Amino acid sequence: AQSVAQPEDQVNVAEGNPLTVKCTYSVSGNPYLFWYVQYPNRGLQFLLKYITGDNLVKGSYGFEAEFNKSQTSFHLKKPSALVSDSALYFCAVRRGSSGSARQLTFGSGTQLTVLP
Amino acid sequence: DSGVTQTPKHLITATGQRVTLRCSPRSGDLSVYWYQQSLDQGLQFLIQYYNGEERAKGNILERFSAQQFPDLHSELNLSSLELGDSALYFCASSPQGTTGELFFGEGSRLTVL
Repeated sequence: AQSVAQPEDQVNVAEGNPLTVKCTYSVSGNPYLFWYVQYPNRGLQFLLKYITGDNLVKGSYGFEAEFNKSQTSFHLKKPSALVSDSALYFCAVRRGSSGSARQLTFGSGTQLTVLP
Repeated sequence: DSGVTQTPKHLITATGQRVTLRCSPRSGDLSVYWYQQSLDQGLQFLIQYYNGEERAKGNILERFSAQQFPDLHSELNLSSLELGDSALYFCASSPQGTTGELFFGEGSRLTVL
């Protein structure tokens, strides 16, 4: 079984400050990790993924995430937050060797609010 | 725009009724996934089809069924609807030979009264 925990339901940060949205995971074998963002009344948009290689991955809109195998974490970060980054963020995982059964398991989501 | 199309965007119906949600995946994608998003359950995986065949099953109720047609579009059928089935239903697709990011449609919001 695989699971994702996003320990914070809500994260507030001031515009221009760095932001971190936390994610820990549990999966057997090598993890494939993803971050998605959801704006109100919209679908989920892919931000970035970790498959293998460099532990720091860069994605859309200036976001990056750091994979830490020993801590089973994949925290989302951005050096300088924008008000427009305010949205619901989901971390997701799947087993790397799952073949064509590629469904993702999502965390419960973290509402990010960037204050002007 | 992800390229995944879902209809209808909104649907209001009564308990006990049956509805069908439709999804057209991105051009060339063979896999279709259905997810349910509700306030209390979060994002729950329901079912996956790959080139017309069921490939993986999640927390899908027996009252729900799905299929993928030869043209690769998919339908999710929800029957004997209950108030608790009110949710946002997402379809996603993924291309072959990639490391598996899913591309989501805008969702179908179902309200059961």
